[in-house]
Amino acid sequence: QQKVQQSPESLIVPEGAMTSLNCTFSDSASQYFAWYRQHSGKAPKALMSIFSNGEKEEGRFTIHLNKASLHFSLHIRDSQPSDSALYLCAVSMDSGTYQRFGTGTKLQVVP
Amino acid sequence: EAAVTQSPRNKVTVTGGNVTLSCRQTNSHNYMYWYRQDTGHGLRLIHYSYGAGNLQIGDVPDGYKATRTTQEDFFLLLELASPSQTSLYFCASKDRDNQAPLFGEGTRLSVL
Repeated sequence: QQKVQQSPESLIVPEGAMTSLNCTFSDSASQYFAWYRQHSGKAPKALMSIFSNGEKEEGRFTIHLNKASLHFSLHIRDSQPSDSALYLCAVSMDSGTYQRFGTGTKLQVVP
Repeated sequence: EAAVTQSPRNKVTVTGGNVTLSCRQTNSHNYMYWYRQDTGHGLRLIHYSYGAGNLQIGDVPDGYKATRTTQEDFFLLLELASPSQTSLYFCASKDRDNQAPLFGEGTRLSVL
């Protein structure tokens, strides 16, 4: 069964810093990789996703995928207190029908 | 605007009780999902469905039944609730493969 793991479990960064979150997966046939953000007491919401090796940037957020290393990451430039949330990575099985989620990284951005 | 609506938002029941969690989406999405979220475990898939009348087993199905009565409605049934089923439950829907699902706001269930 696909295993999806995130690191670190929690992270505190100062406002304006670069934040890097990591996700590893075990199934090399996985084809869809996504990051979600969940504010306290709210539903998870998709941030961005990627299909193929490389980088994708959207505003302050960059996702990087290395399938050979079974690893992808999310980088947040100029982190803001409003970025404080639980970040979940997700990987789809080869059919793309459903995703398995990591256990999450709790990010706190302090002013 | 696309939305997934869950009800109730909060539920308390006793061990051995009968609980039904409801989910409705009006997005004409084919896929619907039930997840549970627990600290240290992330989101775990319970059951999912491709369409009305279809049901697929997820990763943690024990103790749960589900039913997709229409394209819009997906129900999660706990027929003999146990304290281990105390959790935050999310319903989600999406239109096609390799697409991020849209989540409802969650149902917090406590089994005493």
